[in-house]
Amino acid sequence: DTEVTQTPKHLVMGMTNKKSLKCEQHMGHRAMYWYKQKAKKPPELMFVYSYEKLSINESVPSRFSPECPNSSLLNLHLHALQPEDSALYLCASSQEGAGSANTGELFFGEGSRLTVL
Amino acid sequence: EDKVVQSPLSLVVHEGDTVTLNCSYEVTNFRSLLWYKQEKKAPTFLFMLTSSGIEKKSGRLSSILDKKELFSILNITATQTGDSAIYLCAVALDNAGNMLTFGGGTRLMVKP
Repeated sequence: DTEVTQTPKHLVMGMTNKKSLKCEQHMGHRAMYWYKQKAKKPPELMFVYSYEKLSINESVPSRFSPECPNSSLLNLHLHALQPEDSALYLCASSQEGAGSANTGELFFGEGSRLTVL
Repeated sequence: EDKVVQSPLSLVVHEGDTVTLNCSYEVTNFRSLLWYKQEKKAPTFLFMLTSSGIEKKSGRLSSILDKKELFSILNITATQTGDSAIYLCAVALDNAGNMLTFGGGTRLMVKP
């Protein structure tokens, strides 16, 4: 069983809706990530939080808004999405943040499958 | 631009066969190379390789890294239908936190 928990597992929303994806880990990891994965494609990095601060934003549109309330939680707020934003959204965590000696292993959640109508 | 390329794109084998999956990379500031298996949802970790020439093994799976030729292979012996999945190779870079640059994946199907 994964130790990174994501909710909801499935979400269907209209283009005018506001919704949020949630991610939680209790492994004491200090870095958390959002990845987007389209069908038959590898995961693409969206955001990185390191020690609860946004350290990387991979030019993601502002209709996606990340939030890290504390070191265990990571949210992704969604507003005015487009149908092409439909994808599997994966949360991941790692032991340490940027610049550490950590060798890179990420622990992934099971993902939230988002459909935008 | 950092690049990770996996081959083949897809592979169909029969149970009991041995398969070799390839991952080549061109990146600056290489730190480690990771293999993940993705079935329906989350990628699950298989191996992390940081040193050349040292084989890592886990049951029927093994992997090795060649930092001179910039590639890694993942071997699966005596394949089973449960090995059917997408196998993702990813590279972690120094000075980039734990950002992973993923390859496109190899889709493996093992037929009974």
